[in-house]
Amino acid sequence: QQPVQSPQAVILREGEDAVINCSSSKALYSVHWYRQKHGEAPIFLMILLKGGEQKGHDKISASFNEKKQQSSLYLTASQLSYSGTYFCGTIYNNNDMRFGAGTRLTVKP
Amino acid sequence: DAGVTQSPTHLIKTRGQHVTLRCSPISGHKSVSWYQQVLGQGPQFIFQYYEKEERGRGNFPDRFSARQFPNYSSELNVNALLLGDSALYLCASSALRQGEQYFGPGTRLTVT
Repeated sequence: QQPVQSPQAVILREGEDAVINCSSSKALYSVHWYRQKHGEAPIFLMILLKGGEQKGHDKISASFNEKKQQSSLYLTASQLSYSGTYFCGTIYNNNDMRFGAGTRLTVKP
Repeated sequence: DAGVTQSPTHLIKTRGQHVTLRCSPISGHKSVSWYQQVLGQGPQFIFQYYEKEERGRGNFPDRFSARQFPNYSSELNVNALLLGDSALYLCASSALRQGEQYFGPGTRLTVT
């Protein structure tokens, strides 16, 4: 079963913030976030394990709410290089990775 | 260090043919996963191999098969190709079975 991402697309100006959500109806073991630019392979951003942890990487951070089975990716002070499609990947107990449909982020000057 | 490599980069086949895609993981990575990605969608899980054993299988027909070799490289085989098999096939390797995955550049398969 795939996780559900929202929004499907977002357009920002440089310097603006964005939040991308990833929800599951099943209990999650972990959540992975990836970014894919057009014509390229997905690039790993971060992994969150159940336990409600938060992580940060430069101006990109994420949280994992185990009770809600939801993860959110926060992009602050967005840069042009942040443009791309963001995917969350969820691992359930059977250890298979399932990806959401993606959120297309466009950052304009 | 070399990243994940895949071959070939592009492939054109006709319906009914068979195809073999290859993947070499990052050195030291024992897990290889295969995904199918069609335009505008997220990667769809096909297989995971860890320590040369199949550890997971997605919702794909038996026409899809894979294996992992002693050097941890992997092959994905697809028989009796259909037009709907046209997609980007991604291979990802990870050091741990549930660790972060590093993707190769993919093989673009076109079935005509």
